[in-house]
Amino acid sequence: ETGVTQSPTHLIKTRGQQVTLRCSSQSGHNTVSWYQQALGQGPQFIFQYYREEENGRGNFPPRFSGLQFPNYSSELNVNALELDDSALYLCASSPEQGAAGELFFGEGSRLTVL
Amino acid sequence: SQQGEEDPQALSIQEGENATMNCSYKTSINNLQWYRQNSGRGLVHLILIRSNEREKHSGRLRVTLDTSKKSSSLLITASRAADTASYFCAFYGGATNKLIFGTGTLLAVQP
Repeated sequence: ETGVTQSPTHLIKTRGQQVTLRCSSQSGHNTVSWYQQALGQGPQFIFQYYREEENGRGNFPPRFSGLQFPNYSSELNVNALELDDSALYLCASSPEQGAAGELFFGEGSRLTVL
Repeated sequence: SQQGEEDPQALSIQEGENATMNCSYKTSINNLQWYRQNSGRGLVHLILIRSNEREKHSGRLRVTLDTSKKSSSLLITASRAADTASYFCAFYGGATNKLIFGTGTLLAVQP
């Protein structure tokens, strides 16, 4: 059974640029959630995707967008990067949307915005 | 804010001692979960306690839940240096499908 994988692991961007982060969900999981974790803080929910549709969104501006593909992998896109977007971005998958169960996390993508 | 609050923010103990961390929340919940995060890495699920349960054990972990006080505690017994990590409580707030995390407790276990 393959776990959740994320790429890239680290990246550096400059303010105003755009970034795409990728996530492969665990085998058999159809729901993917994305979180932003600033240094020293708890993860903050960005949005969730279920069967290729956005299914819930946290308090993040529209320049944070995502996709889910038929194989349940997902992308997080951030446009017009700001310095405060520097954070660890975590992807998590789960087997059933709305099941209120545990999430399975990847190792994260650390984004630095200069 | 719906975010859970944890205390202490940081805890330093010696190997062999017990570590207790607490979580408070403000909304009704289906269950409460605890996760562990090694420095800058992904989160790993430790244990889930349902709203109709008061206590649950898993190995050296003991979790309690008091829904009347909207609080939970995680006890790690006989701690080891390898337990050094950040610990987060998490819960589904109300009718939403988003898992909300607490602020975290940074545990340092000195060998």
